[in-house]
Amino acid sequence: QLQLQESGPGLVKPSETLSLTCSVSGGSIRSGTDYWGWVRQSPGKGLEWIGSLYFGGSPYYNPSLRSRVTISGDTSKNQFSLKLTSLTAADTAVYYCARPQPDSSGYYGAFDIWGRGTMVTVSS
Amino acid sequence: EIVMTQSPATLSVSPGERATLSCRASQPLNSHLAWYQQKPGRAPRLLFYGASTRATGIPARFSASGSGTEFTLTIGSLQSEDFAVYYCQQYHAWPWTFGQGTKVENK
Repeated sequence: QLQLQESGPGLVKPSETLSLTCSVSGGSIRSGTDYWGWVRQSPGKGLEWIGSLYFGGSPYYNPSLRSRVTISGDTSKNQFSLKLTSLTAADTAVYYCARPQPDSSGYYGAFDIWGRGTMVTVSS
Repeated sequence: EIVMTQSPATLSVSPGERATLSCRASQPLNSHLAWYQQKPGRAPRLLFYGASTRATGIPARFSASGSGTEFTLTIGSLQSEDFAVYYCQQYHAWPWTFGQGTKVENK
């Protein structure tokens, strides 16, 4: 059974860079979907899609974060990563990695498998 | 960007009652819509995709419908484990966007 696990620092200072990794087990990162994604949730708030890794081309990013975010994949380690630069308190959130599945029309986007999430606090 | 608007923000329902949640998109989605359930401290759980296709393991008391810009999630007879926050999400166009959520609480 496919499982995802986020890892990274729980506390990061303002202006620094956040690096998170999502380890995929129970399946290959190169099979079943090409759009592995990151979603975050600020405390008490809703869900925000950050971006998706696309092995068939360039990653897709939320325009609100595009200037600060990089998502990449490492097939040798069966994992993908998120980097977010120039952090502020507004980036404090639970960060989830997730796998989208295709619907009957072949559109990917509904996240059927999620990691447990990792809480990241931006504070000095 | 497609804006997703959910209503109501909070729905107070007694166990056994029916709950109806709405989601409206600012542009037509051609059924590229998903629904999620989230409980405190947990990751979201996929309920439906393709607007009305039930995800694996989702009980039959949950149903979803809609197309274009108007979508509905219905819980036929609310169980205690259904009290949670429900989100809709469009994946018709980048960036993928979520609604702000509807909290279903015990009346």
